[in-house]
Amino acid sequence: QVQLVQSGAEVKKPGASVKVSCKASGYIFTDCYIHWVRQAPGQGLEWMGWINPNTGAPNFAQKFQGRVTMTRDSSISTAYMELSRLTSDDTAMYYCARGLAAKGHDYWGQGTLVTVSS
Amino acid sequence: EIVLTQSPGTLSLSPGERATLSCRASQSVSSSYLAWYQQKPGQAPGLLIYGTSSRATGIPDRFSGSGSGTDFTLTISRLEPEDFAVYYCQQYGTSPLTFGGGTKVEIK
Repeated sequence: QVQLVQSGAEVKKPGASVKVSCKASGYIFTDCYIHWVRQAPGQGLEWMGWINPNTGAPNFAQKFQGRVTMTRDSSISTAYMELSRLTSDDTAMYYCARGLAAKGHDYWGQGTLVTVSS
Repeated sequence: EIVLTQSPGTLSLSPGERATLSCRASQSVSSSYLAWYQQKPGQAPGLLIYGTSSRATGIPDRFSGSGSGTDFTLTISRLEPEDFAVYYCQQYGTSPLTFGGGTKVEIK
């Protein structure tokens, strides 16, 4: 069965960077995009961007340009999202999700809580 | 970017009642690329509807989606206890992908 398993919770200081991983299983990793979506406490969902695991090409929301990096290691079916220059506004649950062109995000990781605090 | 506005913000209903949730877009969305997600407390969102009206795998037929252009609707024909949750619409046809602000369906 399809699964996306994310790395564990992180606590970071303002100005630091965080790197979250998302390991996929149960399907061919290079067949589907991996999207990253975040959710601040008590708030709605915010799309951050995607990576094409086949080519490695990313696409980011303008808001995160220059601060986010999305990579993948196809040999271990894992995608990564790194966010730099963290502020308290980046405190959120970060989700990876499988993206199918016609079906939206059909499988989601369990989420990784990133807390930014001095 | 395409802004999605969901209404109402909160819907207070009883089990067995019908729920109608609205999602309005700031510009036309291709019907092929409008989805609805359900999120329960402490859980990741789950796909309910894609392509405006297609139910995702395992989703019961009391959930239905409709609409076109800038107006889309999620209908739950008869609310079950497990349906009380937050629902988000999303357009995934134009980058940046965007979500609505969500509608909370709560027990009256």
